[in-house]
Amino acid sequence: DTAVSQTPKYLVTQMGNDKSIKCEQNLGHDTMYWYKQDSKKFLKIMFSYNNKELIINETVPNRFSPKSPDKAHLNLHINSLELGDSAVYFCASSHLNPRYRFSVWNTEAFFGQGTRLTVV
Amino acid sequence: QKEVEQNSGPLSVPEGAIASLNCTYSDRGSQSFFWYRQYSGKSPELIMFIYSNGDKEDGRFTAQLNKASQYVSLLIRDSQPSDSATYLCAVRLSGGSYIPTFGRGTSLIVHP
Repeated sequence: DTAVSQTPKYLVTQMGNDKSIKCEQNLGHDTMYWYKQDSKKFLKIMFSYNNKELIINETVPNRFSPKSPDKAHLNLHINSLELGDSAVYFCASSHLNPRYRFSVWNTEAFFGQGTRLTVV
Repeated sequence: QKEVEQNSGPLSVPEGAIASLNCTYSDRGSQSFFWYRQYSGKSPELIMFIYSNGDKEDGRFTAQLNKASQYVSLLIRDSQPSDSATYLCAVRLSGGSYIPTFGRGTSLIVHP
């Protein structure tokens, strides 16, 4: 059974389109994340949700809107796609609650398989 | 200011040698440090985490942390071609969101 699953794995679309990426985890974690990894492998946090509540929103354009219908799902919707949005997007989950400085990110941090988004 | 820095490599070592991967960080108050391995086209997977100064060993992997010098390293003993991957260092900074901040990763190539 896949612990953190993302769909689709590949997404090719034209500039200006709107697209969504879905993520589901079956680990019972309370916290989920979206990361963006650029062509140079730099992995950067975009959003974090804890129990359906947005707790981290890094400097990301308003065109990106996360949605968490329940704590097992965190979807990412992107409006008006631009060439610079091309990257691999990773969903992840953990027991960590980033609100609490001393909570532990341990071996239960799992990444999904990634969605390679190509905007043409 | 770059918060977590790694040499992008590639680092090339012969099979059976020790591979040494280094990471420095700027936030002196950082508490938690992690090494992830990422194969090409795959997702990152956690190899080790370390919180205390000193060494932590797990099989062929040893993480070393020196908070005074603000660096963390990963040693891979008896390197195998299957260890060829990008190794990402992540640091949980003391300020901000407390989400681990990743370095850009070091590409390791183990040649037979």
